[in-house]
Amino acid sequence: AQTVTQSQPEMSVQEAETVTLSCTYDTSENNYYLFWYKQPPSRQMILVIRQEAYKQQNATENRFSVNFQKAAKSFSLKISDSQLGDTAMYFCALSSGTYKYIFGTGTRLKVLA
Amino acid sequence: GAVVSQHPSWVICKSGTSVKIECRSLDFQATTMFWYRQFPKQSLMLMATSNEGSKATYEQGVEKDKFLINHASLTLSTLTVTSAHPEDSSFYICSAEDRDNEQFFGPGTRLTVL
Repeated sequence: AQTVTQSQPEMSVQEAETVTLSCTYDTSENNYYLFWYKQPPSRQMILVIRQEAYKQQNATENRFSVNFQKAAKSFSLKISDSQLGDTAMYFCALSSGTYKYIFGTGTRLKVLA
Repeated sequence: GAVVSQHPSWVICKSGTSVKIECRSLDFQATTMFWYRQFPKQSLMLMATSNEGSKATYEQGVEKDKFLINHASLTLSTLTVTSAHPEDSSFYICSAEDRDNEQFFGPGTRLTVL
């Protein structure tokens, strides 16, 4: 079975500062993908960043980057230069060939002006 | 990026009636679509995987006779909530998977059963 754990139900950060959201996971698969999704108040799920497990290099997308520690099964998301529009629920997700998309419980991020 | 639509965006129905929700991939073909349920302030829970031209695969605990899924074409999957009851009230989200195994999510459908 696969599990995804997000241990921070809520976080806040000052505008322009940096924040890191944590995620740990467990899987018996060798090939899998990890994702961070953003769900703003509109509830539209938006892909923030994606990481293939076989790639050692951490994925980055503009202000968003991950720290992928495969041995520790950790996949944290760093948001740099936080903006008010970053306020949302953030979900970590794991997907593999056998198990499709398991989501963590989410972290509610609030960016403060 | 790829676009997935859902219709309706919200629906209110009486207890005992059936409701159909459509999920469409607008600019790509999706052999696989997924249906999720999300309760307020909770995470997404996968209900079923919908494969074009074959029967859907339901997750444990999801009643297949209550949540009927049809994936008749490469761009359309439907979820029918049969004999709806108030406990079926929820936010239902679909997603479509492209050839790169990336999922694109629909905007969701809020179902309220009176």
